[in-house]
Amino acid sequence: ILNVEQSPQSLHVQEGDSTNFTCSFPSSNFYALHWYRWETAKSPEALFVMTLNGDEKKKGRISATLNTKEGYSYLYIKGSQPEDSATYLCALLHGSSNTGKLIFGQGTTLQVKP
Amino acid sequence: DGGITQSPKYLFRKEGQNVTLSCEQNLNHDAMYWYRQDPGQGLRLIYYSQIVNDFQKGDIAEGYSVSREKKESFPLTVTSAQKNPTAFYLCASSMVRRNEKLFFGSGTQLSVL
Repeated sequence: ILNVEQSPQSLHVQEGDSTNFTCSFPSSNFYALHWYRWETAKSPEALFVMTLNGDEKKKGRISATLNTKEGYSYLYIKGSQPEDSATYLCALLHGSSNTGKLIFGQGTTLQVKP
Repeated sequence: DGGITQSPKYLFRKEGQNVTLSCEQNLNHDAMYWYRQDPGQGLRLIYYSQIVNDFQKGDIAEGYSVSREKKESFPLTVTSAQKNPTAFYLCASSMVRRNEKLFFGSGTQLSVL
């Protein structure tokens, strides 16, 4: 059974702090790694889809890196703002999976205090 | 605006009752999915469909059924055989090509009376 682990489970930071969290996954048969942001009372929204080892993606103050050989991805938020408060989900697309049969981690919930 | 619409937002089920959750998309996506979320757990796949009139079981399909008669619609029925149906249900869609991101609906919270 494939397992995707996210840490920490929750995080509280002050406005302006930079933060990062981790997604760990089995490195064998890797195909793609997705990151989603899920704000309270809204739908999850895609941040990044990453496929190549060493890949780095950036969207505003949020960036992500990928290491497929060791099986982890980091999500960074620079200068956190209250509107960054959300649950961040990562999901693994395994080599043996059909399109979209993603395996999700349990999420990291970020709370940014003004 | 293009998107995915789930209804109802809240649903209550009595013992022995089947209930159906609606999911409609106007994104012209071929693939649609149903996920279940329980507290402290990641989203788990119930069923998915990549083409009309065809669907496959996900990891936790027991006690659920689906249909895909139209490209836009992928309703989920929670049957009486599902003994622990209380959960948050998310519908999603995507293009079929690999590496395509998912687009999600806003979810349905199902509770047992």
